[in-house]
Amino acid sequence: NAGVTQTPKFQVLKTGQSMTLQCAQDMNHNSMYWYRQDPGMGLRLIYYSASEGTTDKGEVPNGYNVSRLNKREFSLRLESAAPSQTSVYFCASSEAWGQGADTQYFGPGTRLTVL
Amino acid sequence: QKEVEQDPGPLSVPEGAIVSLNCTYSNSAFQYFMWYRQYSRKGPELLMYTYSSGNKEDGRFTAQVDKSSKYISLFIRDSQPSDSATYLCAGWVRCFGAGTRLTVKP
Repeated sequence: NAGVTQTPKFQVLKTGQSMTLQCAQDMNHNSMYWYRQDPGMGLRLIYYSASEGTTDKGEVPNGYNVSRLNKREFSLRLESAAPSQTSVYFCASSEAWGQGADTQYFGPGTRLTVL
Repeated sequence: QKEVEQDPGPLSVPEGAIVSLNCTYSNSAFQYFMWYRQYSRKGPELLMYTYSSGNKEDGRFTAQVDKSSKYISLFIRDSQPSDSATYLCAGWVRCFGAGTRLTVKP
């Protein structure tokens, strides 16, 4: 099992450009998440999908959109990139949503730089 | 104020030392608490999780929760250079602490 995979691993964008970060999991998990990690800020939840067909905002959703394409795949889109979106982005999945069931498995991350 | 607060360190200890990593939380609804380990330029991986109050032991690692004081701790015995990583605590609803960077020197 590959676990959680993310593409691309690295990306450099210019301000105003758009891009989509891809995430896939092969653990038959119901819930998927997108985080960003910045120095001193820890992991901050951008969006999550508690189950296939649903998506909800997390702590820092502004400037992002998501799509739960199917049970395996959850993408994150930056419509008009800004330098403040320079960060490391992690996708994660868990068996289910809810206390005790949300042990998360993380992907390797995407390092994004917006110039 | 974040619902989970964690001292970012950095923390540097000699090999063999006992390490204590700590977090506080503010949300009384939290029942499950998790510790993740993150090596440099990698994704976090689950190290341990505990339910409610009490201790949980796994090899050299012990996780402790004190709900009365809203305090979460991770103890590492006989620390090894391979333990050098950032350790993140988390409560439910995906609330992560900022992470404590630990270096264990040979």
